[in-house]
Amino acid sequence: DADVTQTPRNRITKTGKRIMLECSQTKGHDRMYWYRQDPGLGLRLIYYSFDVKDINKGEISDGYSVSRQAQAKFSLSLESAIPNQTALYFCATSDTTQGVTDTQYFGPGTRLTVL
Amino acid sequence: AQSVTQLGSHVSVSEGALVLLRCNYSSSVPPYLFWYVQYPNQGLQLLLKYTSAATLVKGINGFEAEFKKSETSFHLTKPSAHMSDAAEYFCAVSPYDSSYKLIFGSGTRLLVRP
Repeated sequence: DADVTQTPRNRITKTGKRIMLECSQTKGHDRMYWYRQDPGLGLRLIYYSFDVKDINKGEISDGYSVSRQAQAKFSLSLESAIPNQTALYFCATSDTTQGVTDTQYFGPGTRLTVL
Repeated sequence: AQSVTQLGSHVSVSEGALVLLRCNYSSSVPPYLFWYVQYPNQGLQLLLKYTSAATLVKGINGFEAEFKKSETSFHLTKPSAHMSDAAEYFCAVSPYDSSYKLIFGSGTRLLVRP
């Protein structure tokens, strides 16, 4: 089984709808991240969480919210989806035991289309 | 602010040829540097990372990268391309004082011709 899973893998929705993307991990890592990937722009950080009680905004958090329900679960919500939120969304985790060079482990991604 | 520039959104090589993917970073102090690979319909996985221990870093699948402070570069190379290397490659920088953050380049798609 995959260490970092994301559901759904694909989603098509309409403008104004509320959408939740879910991420689960079995790696036992404390840190979790949400990124979006757009062609030609690489990955950009939306939110990150160091533990259940510590959630932080990334560089493009407007229009998004997150919930860290447990150490293993980190959900991303779009309260009112808009077309320019059409993108590939990745969840990632990292292990603090490596010190200052955390390797991040990525899920398979969720392709979201907002019509 | 730290940033990463990847020169060339697409690179095409013949099977068996040298692979060279370019990455330059901007930072006032040497950061931590990473190369990630994304195969079609998959998430990213780590190829290698520079943590200041050695300037030449060897990664998985025969890839390596050399940190050159004077050129602020961390180019990725592989002596002989294989068809299975076709993927998108991302260079990323992590500030030494904020190791949890990754700042990604825009990516380079590697095409391998038979």
